[in-house]
Amino acid sequence: DSGVTQTPKHLITATGQRVTLRCSPRSGDLSVYWYQQSLDQGLQFLIQYYNGEERAKGNILERFSAQQFPDLHSELNLSSLELGDSALYFCASSVAVTGNTIYFGEGSWLTVV
Amino acid sequence: GQQLNQSPQSMFIQEGEDVSMNCTSSSIFNTWLWYKQDPGEGPVLLIALYKAGELTSNGRLTAQFGITRKDSFLNISASIPSDVGIYFCAGYTPPNAGGTSYGKLTFGQGTILTVHP
Repeated sequence: DSGVTQTPKHLITATGQRVTLRCSPRSGDLSVYWYQQSLDQGLQFLIQYYNGEERAKGNILERFSAQQFPDLHSELNLSSLELGDSALYFCASSVAVTGNTIYFGEGSWLTVV
Repeated sequence: GQQLNQSPQSMFIQEGEDVSMNCTSSSIFNTWLWYKQDPGEGPVLLIALYKAGELTSNGRLTAQFGITRKDSFLNISASIPSDVGIYFCAGYTPPNAGGTSYGKLTFGQGTILTVHP
């Protein structure tokens, strides 16, 4: 158990819908990262927050957004969902902003039908 | 951008055999990480390496941070069926001195390990 908690574990939704994925980082960690993993793309970095502020952006679509709240939990919002958005979405956390060692949650499996 | 070449892409071995996989890059990293991912689960950190030349063990796992800082390997000795999974390497690049870029963790494409009993 890495200490990073993600909900929900599984989600099935229709195209065009919007979903929110939630993440609680390890106790004491201030940085939260979101990754997308699909079969053909490997682990793709989406976005990082540190202590409530956006710190780095990766390959995140404009239809996706995230935020980190004062209690340090984070949410990833995915809207206007397409079939190709079906993937495992991972949250990870680290204590520092530099993120040279990050710990992953168990992931949220999103299926868009 | 930075890329990590992880090899092999997949391995099929017999229980008891030793395993070796590696990652190489054209870029220098100052941290190397190795993760294992079971199907449908999140990657679990196995070993973290922070210094060039560092050799670290975790049970039957041994990993080394290459002297050139552009490569790393992971060895698994005396494999067992529960070693099955996908192994990822990741290299970390710190923020630049001018503060115009953030630290970045780059992942390899993974090595799929299958162990036959």
